[in-house]
Amino acid sequence: QVQLQQWGAGLLKPSETLSLTCAVSGGSFGGSYWSWIRQPPGKGLEWIGEINHAGSTNYNPSLKSRLTISVDTSRNQFSLTLSSVTAADTAVYYCARAQPFDAFDIWGQGTLVAVSS
Amino acid sequence: DIVMTQSPDFLSVSLGERASIKCKSSQSLLYSSNNKNYLAWYQQKPGQPPKLLLYWASTRESGVPDRFSGSGSGTDFTLTISSLQAEDVAVYYCQQYYSPLLYTFGQGTKLEIK
Repeated sequence: QVQLQQWGAGLLKPSETLSLTCAVSGGSFGGSYWSWIRQPPGKGLEWIGEINHAGSTNYNPSLKSRLTISVDTSRNQFSLTLSSVTAADTAVYYCARAQPFDAFDIWGQGTLVAVSS
Repeated sequence: DIVMTQSPDFLSVSLGERASIKCKSSQSLLYSSNNKNYLAWYQQKPGQPPKLLLYWASTRESGVPDRFSGSGSGTDFTLTISSLQAEDVAVYYCQQYYSPLLYTFGQGTKLEIK
């Protein structure tokens, strides 16, 4: 079955750029939407944005000015870049899959990203 | 933005008893062309990613025990656990996928054993 494996730097300083990558294995990369979702420590879930295999994106307006989500179909991977991070960006970041107009049925294991000077 | 509001924030229920969590959306999640409610429920245990329990408000994901059920339509939804088991201790979230430009989640309900 489809699995998501994610990785990236876990400790950043304010103003640095957050970069995470999620690899898709065990199934088709096309036909689905691939999202990033984050969860600050002890808090709820916030959707960050999504991309499909063709590179079409939707972003959370609150993050759009700092956000880039890209796709590498040759490697079945998609990536998140968030610039100018602050302590407010400290969170566990998850990658997740959704079929078009459907719920998030598969999730990555999560990556804790801490922003601290 | 579609705002999702869950109640209660915390719920304490005895083993074997029924647990109910409510979710209210700021606008209808019912898509008239297919009569489907674009509402999902997730379960999250400590240190784990959320797990999809129900979609289309009431359809169980494969492998989810039938003690979990969902009901409601439009703006008001309920997740019910018919007979609480110890392994059901978790935080539960509702989520709307009606608006693909901005998916939103409820704030979460923490369920514990009384």
